[in-house]
Amino acid sequence: QQPVQSPQAVILREGEDAVINCSSSKALYSVHWYRQKHGEAPVFLMILLKGGEQKGHDKISASFNEKKQQSSLYLTASQLSYSGTYFCGTSGGYQKVTFGTGTKLQVIP
Amino acid sequence: DTAVSQTPKYLVTQMGNDKSIKCEQNLGHDTMYWYKQDSKKFLKIMFSYNNKELIINETVPNRFSPKSPDKAHLNLHINSLELGDSAVYFCASSQEGLPNYGYTFGSGTRLTVV
Repeated sequence: QQPVQSPQAVILREGEDAVINCSSSKALYSVHWYRQKHGEAPVFLMILLKGGEQKGHDKISASFNEKKQQSSLYLTASQLSYSGTYFCGTSGGYQKVTFGTGTKLQVIP
Repeated sequence: DTAVSQTPKYLVTQMGNDKSIKCEQNLGHDTMYWYKQDSKKFLKIMFSYNNKELIINETVPNRFSPKSPDKAHLNLHINSLELGDSAVYFCASSQEGLPNYGYTFGSGTRLTVV
């Protein structure tokens, strides 16, 4: 079953922060986050493994709450380059990653 | 050097035709995948190969047949194309079969069936 992301779409002004949530109905082993710009391939951002760790690089970070079967992606001080569609991908421990419904993020000047 | 390369980038064909999409990765990864992205941007897994062995075969019509001649290549052949097959097909690879590693995606093949 496909993980559900919220919000479906968000518009930010440069410098604003955003949170994208990913919720699964299944127990999770890992959560991936990807960003896809229009007409391009999804690009891997980070992966979080079972254990509730929080990871990040630059101004993009994420958390993983395995008990709630949820993950959140945090974008701080957004830049124009952050625009795109963000996907979470979840795995229950097998070799398959199921991608979420996507969140379209637009950063405007 | 392109890490995961797909050809062709665009494919326009008539219903009923047979077509192939090729994928190659030079990352030394063990596992390769085919994903389909529909018009609503939903990314759905179709197949996965680990070191030439088929390990995931989702509910995909048997008109779709993947082939992996070696662990660096994964091709997709589609018979009797239908209008509903129109989508962007992405090849991807990862370091191992376990979902501990991120995927590297190819640039995609936009298939349009008319």
